[in-house]
Amino acid sequence: AIQLTQSPSSLSASVRDRVTITCRASQGFSGLAWYQQKPGKAPKLLIYDASTLQSGVPSRFSGSGSGTDFTLTISSLQPEDFATYYCQQFTSYPQITFGQGTRLEIK
Amino acid sequence: QVRLVESGGGVVQPGGSLRLSCAASGFTFSSHGIYWVRQAPGKGLEWVTFIWSDGSNKYYGDSVKGRFTISRDNSKNTVYLQMNSLRAEDTAVYYCARVVWIGAVPIVPDWGQGTLVTVSS
Repeated sequence: AIQLTQSPSSLSASVRDRVTITCRASQGFSGLAWYQQKPGKAPKLLIYDASTLQSGVPSRFSGSGSGTDFTLTISSLQPEDFATYYCQQFTSYPQITFGQGTRLEIK
Repeated sequence: QVRLVESGGGVVQPGGSLRLSCAASGFTFSSHGIYWVRQAPGKGLEWVTFIWSDGSNKYYGDSVKGRFTISRDNSKNTVYLQMNSLRAEDTAVYYCARVVWIGAVPIVPDWGQGTLVTVSS
């Protein structure tokens, strides 16, 4: 089964910083999604198909990558962006796999 | 407005059973596959099970296969998760979520608020 490894597992950053989170797959595939989750809340879809911004998501979020390496970039961190981020892929639809998560904290 | 509302969580002893419900509104329920995804306390997200829009096909994660059963009643806009032989490691918040197809790309944009299942003696 495909495994997704996110790095870093956690990071500290300041408001207005540019932040990049990486998701690496154990084998190549197409299509990856990114979610944001805040404590006590459900995951929120940010990006799908590696680089397509979900409706209503601020443009400071962007995704890129293909094959085995994908990135989520937040161009200028806002206070509401401090959360945990997960990548997700359809291993073999409809089976899905999530990365272990990246916790983004305020420095 | 799309809405998914889970219910049925609670405290159950190891070996016990529980049935979760996911009530949907705001969309054509019978046209969408539905997931259950869980999250153990302080841990990441884990796919549990999926059911096709018409209920004809069901898929299960290895950790729940043979113990959990997903079903749906499209006349009631509700998906169910019957959980048997519960273990301490099944303790988690359980979310239901719907699949939407954007062309040939499946996405999971809508999630419920979750219901907590605690397996403890």
